[in-house]
Amino acid sequence: GEDVEQSLFLSVREGDSSVINCTYTDSSSTYLYWYKQEPGAGLQLLTYIFSNMDMKQDQRLTVLLNKKDKHLSLRIADTQTGDSAIYFCAESMDQGGKLIFGQGTELSVKP
Amino acid sequence: ETGVTQTPRHLVMGMTNKKSLKCEQHLGHNAMYWYKQSAKKPLELMFVYNFKEQTENNSVPSRFSPECPNSSHLFLHLHTLQPEDSALYLCASSQEAAGGAGTDTQYFGPGTRLTVL
Repeated sequence: GEDVEQSLFLSVREGDSSVINCTYTDSSSTYLYWYKQEPGAGLQLLTYIFSNMDMKQDQRLTVLLNKKDKHLSLRIADTQTGDSAIYFCAESMDQGGKLIFGQGTELSVKP
Repeated sequence: ETGVTQTPRHLVMGMTNKKSLKCEQHLGHNAMYWYKQSAKKPLELMFVYNFKEQTENNSVPSRFSPECPNSSHLFLHLHTLQPEDSALYLCASSQEAAGGAGTDTQYFGPGTRLTVL
């Protein structure tokens, strides 16, 4: 079945790197996404990676995809207090627009 | 600003009320979605509209009734809700649903926080 797993919490110090991990079960995923949700807000698309790529970098964000292990990670360099939020990974299998979301990882950045 | 707006942002209603949630997208997309986000649970897809046709109803109770009059607008009509329906309701849009090549990348609105008393 389709399942996306994330750890629930991560706490880092300001200026450190954060790494948020995600595992998924369906090897037919075509795109994998990272969304950010700040308190009281909707989901903001951060970045996405096509399943035939291993890595994608966008400013402070680096996405790594290990398709063999079905593991996706989001690295945030030089983490700031404004990065405190819940981060969701999601997979798309081009099936009627369905995205399967993980439970979200709450990132807490301490000054 | 993602180009997807939702109104109202907050709604409190009794179980016998009828209300509607509205979503509007300014991105020129053809697919729109309703999700329910409850505390401690993953996002639940409720409905998908692609080119104004409903293509997905994820076993949603009939007290939730969607309407998509055109590709830019999506409504969720609510009646006789239960307290467990209290949640954040999120609308999203994408270029298409299942068009492939990333055309189903979804952009979300800010949500409507619904409380059912």
